[in-house]
Amino acid sequence: NAGVTQTPKFRILKIGQSMTLQCTQDMNHNYMYWYRQDPGMGLKLIYYSVGAGITDKGEVPNGYNVSRSTTEDFPLRLELAAPSQTSVYFCASTPMTEAFFGQGTRLTVV
Amino acid sequence: GQQLNQSPQSMFIQEGEDVSMNCTSSSIFNTWLWYKQDPGEGPVLLIALYKAGELTSNGRLTAQFGITRKDSFLNISASIPSDVGIYFCAGRIGNQFYFGTGTSLTVIP
Repeated sequence: NAGVTQTPKFRILKIGQSMTLQCTQDMNHNYMYWYRQDPGMGLKLIYYSVGAGITDKGEVPNGYNVSRSTTEDFPLRLELAAPSQTSVYFCASTPMTEAFFGQGTRLTVV
Repeated sequence: GQQLNQSPQSMFIQEGEDVSMNCTSSSIFNTWLWYKQDPGEGPVLLIALYKAGELTSNGRLTAQFGITRKDSFLNISASIPSDVGIYFCAGRIGNQFYFGTGTSLTVIP
């Protein structure tokens, strides 16, 4: 019953550092998404993927990169962390009807 | 992106009271979804609605897909302390999901 699993749960980065947020799902969903959630705001789409090897930009892609080499995994990469990237990041997958979310990664850039 | 207007932004209610919240949009959606998010956790799906006019219940929760396909509401009956959290609506168009800004619910015992 794993569903969507995100790691790490928390991370503090210094400005300019890089990191990869991991996301994996065991439901064989083709569609996967990365969102960021800021206080008082709805979820904003960063990147999404409609299947292995296919990714596309969402509403707020600047400063991020993704890859989708397998159906299960959809990592999000921050190359040069900036304070504006302090947020809670959620990965989600869907069979094209309902979206299922991971538990989130809380990232602080100082 | 598409804008979902969710109201109210926050609610403070007594235990046992009923709660109602809604989402409206200028766009037509294929699916309406309602999620609950507890502090430090990801959103958890409560109810999914797939066609205009559909009324669906999940225990004390009832949600409806508006006839115009541009709105949805969620009702919670006889609230209990564990109903505390943030409730989000979401609409789906194709392979994209759009989210409301959430309703923060506080239940006073």
